[in-house]
Formats: sequence, C-alpha cells, structure tokens
Amino acid sequence: DTGVSQDPRHKITKRGQNVTFRCDPISEHNRLYWYRQTLGQGPEFLTYFQNEAQLEKSRLLSDRFSAERPKGSFSTLEIQRTEQGDSAMYLCASETVPGGFYEQYFGPGTRLTVT
Amino acid sequence: AQTVTQSQPEMSVQEAETVTLSCTYDTSESNYYLFWYKQPPSRQMILVIRQEAYKQQNATENRFSVNFQKAAKSFSLKISDSQLGDTAMYFCAFMNVDAGNMLTFGGGTRLMVKP
Repeated sequence: DTGVSQDPRHKITKRGQNVTFRCDPISEHNRLYWYRQTLGQGPEFLTYFQNEAQLEKSRLLSDRFSAERPKGSFSTLEIQRTEQGDSAMYLCASETVPGGFYEQYFGPGTRLTVT
Repeated sequence: AQTVTQSQPEMSVQEAETVTLSCTYDTSESNYYLFWYKQPPSRQMILVIRQEAYKQQNATENRFSVNFQKAAKSFSLKISDSQLGDTAMYFCAFMNVDAGNMLTFGGGTRLMVKP
C-alpha cells in the first residue's frame, strides 16, 4: 500500500493555458474523488468515480473542467483555458465501497497557480 | 444540502494540555457519518476520528475523542495530552452515506501546540 499519489505536486501556468493533473489511488480502491481547496478554506467536492464511471459532478465543475478514469485505476483532471480563479490545491482521495468503513485516503494534492 | 461550520479559525494550546475544537452542522439526512481530518503543514490530510450518526456512544481514538450531540447537530473534537505533532489544520466533515459518500468540509481550525 503506497498511498494515493498525485502528479505534479506544483503547477504554474499562464491564464488561458490548459493543464492536466493525475491521481493514482490506492490500488484496490474502487472509488475516486476530486476536491478543490482554496487557501485557508476546507476542501470542496468536485466529482467522483466508481470504477470508470463518473457518477456525480458538482456545480463547481464548469465546462472547462473534465475528469476521466479510463480503466478504473488512475484518474486525470483537465482544466481548459485556465483562469486566475482556478488557482487552488486540487486533492484526490480514494475509498473502497463497500467495506471501507467510509474512510477516504487523500493524496498530497496538486497546487495550481495561474498567473 | 448540508453545511458544516467551524467557528474557531485558530486555537492554541500548551503541550500536554487538553483542547476542544467545535463543529456544528446542518442536515435533513438521517444516515450520515461525521469525521475529523487533520492536515499538517504541507502534508496530506489524514483521518483522525469518525462517528456514525446512529451510534449514541461517542467515538474515541487514543488521545482523541468526540462529543456528538445529535439533536443539537454538534460534533466537537477533544485532544488530550496535546503533542507538538498535533499542530495542524483540523477539518470537520459530513458524509451522507446514501448519496455517494462525498465529504462536505467545514472551514477548518488552525491548531498550534506550544512547547
């Protein structure tokens, strides 16, 4: 069990550019969640997957955001035409459902800075 | 929709003393869990303690315990014998287990343990 990993850990981009983040969950976990955390705030839910199916998307997830989990393992989150308001920490978490006792394991996050 | 409120943005405690962090929530759901997560500086979020809503007994995990008052929708965290390693952001979180297990977080409390 190597934990949840995220790549990159930091990303600086210019407004208008596209960025893609990757999350590798704990291998046996079938659920994967994306959250966004702005400075000094608690994380906010963005979307989640059960295996490869995306089951829920928050209203925070505008049309510029897209997430995939093509083989039910790793997931990617892409932001197109980045805006300064996208600057935040993007957190990934994974969980086993059922049987995981409702514990989500978090990755270290990807910190995005849009200049 | 549910909301989670942490009314103490910052707290401090002397090493070896006891501190209580407050959390209130609002929901119309009946089947839910409550959590306290710890986010140390520049490190990933980890679960501290969880409470099932249908259990009247308060959860405990070593030096950490909760005071769950369901009718008042209150869920406070007590840390006994505080240690320097307890210095972190603490987030209270709500999970509706009938609707995808997405976490709703409070705004966090920054806890500083002083030597």
